[in-house]
Amino acid sequence: GQNIDQPTEMTATEGAIVQINCTYQTSGFNGLFWYQQHAGEAPTFLSYNVLDGLEEKGRFSSFLSRSKGYSYLLLKELQMKDSASYLCAVRDNYGQNFVFGPGTRLSVLP
Amino acid sequence: NAGVTQTPKFRILKIGQSMTLQCTQDMNHNYMYWYRQDPGMGLKLIYYSVGAGITDKGEVPNGYNVSRSTTEDFPLRLELAAPSQTSVYFCASSYIAGELFFGEGSRLTVL
Repeated sequence: GQNIDQPTEMTATEGAIVQINCTYQTSGFNGLFWYQQHAGEAPTFLSYNVLDGLEEKGRFSSFLSRSKGYSYLLLKELQMKDSASYLCAVRDNYGQNFVFGPGTRLSVLP
Repeated sequence: NAGVTQTPKFRILKIGQSMTLQCTQDMNHNYMYWYRQDPGMGLKLIYYSVGAGITDKGEVPNGYNVSRSTTEDFPLRLELAAPSQTSVYFCASSYIAGELFFGEGSRLTVL
């Protein structure tokens, strides 16, 4: 079966650091993706992990542990514009399908 | 560069009507997808295609049909619309092993 879990909502303060966790149990694995989705808009790609470890991209970092079925997205120096939903997605073994988690709605407060 | 273009952006249908959501991409991607997103929820895969002439069902295909006659186009057909099909529909495309590029979405209401 396919199951991806994320916290439903998180709140953080402008300038702070926030970590959004994602756990997955899928029948296959060929990479884990993070997308950002502002309200009323389409998701946009943030980061990608296929091997264990940390990938850093400016203020955003993503970590993967395949043995634990676990990933997190780390957002540093939070800005008001980071208020959005963050979607975790796993690509299957054949590289064709993406299974999405329910998303985490992040609110950044002044 | 247009990327992934979806039309229409908004549509209201009556129960039992049919319609087609259009999707075109100009990035020469082999893979194309249709997802639906209900309020406060993640994305559910309806259908996908790995190339022209090849389509396959996703997690929630009932009530929908697709075709892929060219690399660029991947229309989604809704037959006999039902209130349960009220949702936001996203078309997406990708290279093999690449990330998804999404269209702006089509907001469909069935009354």
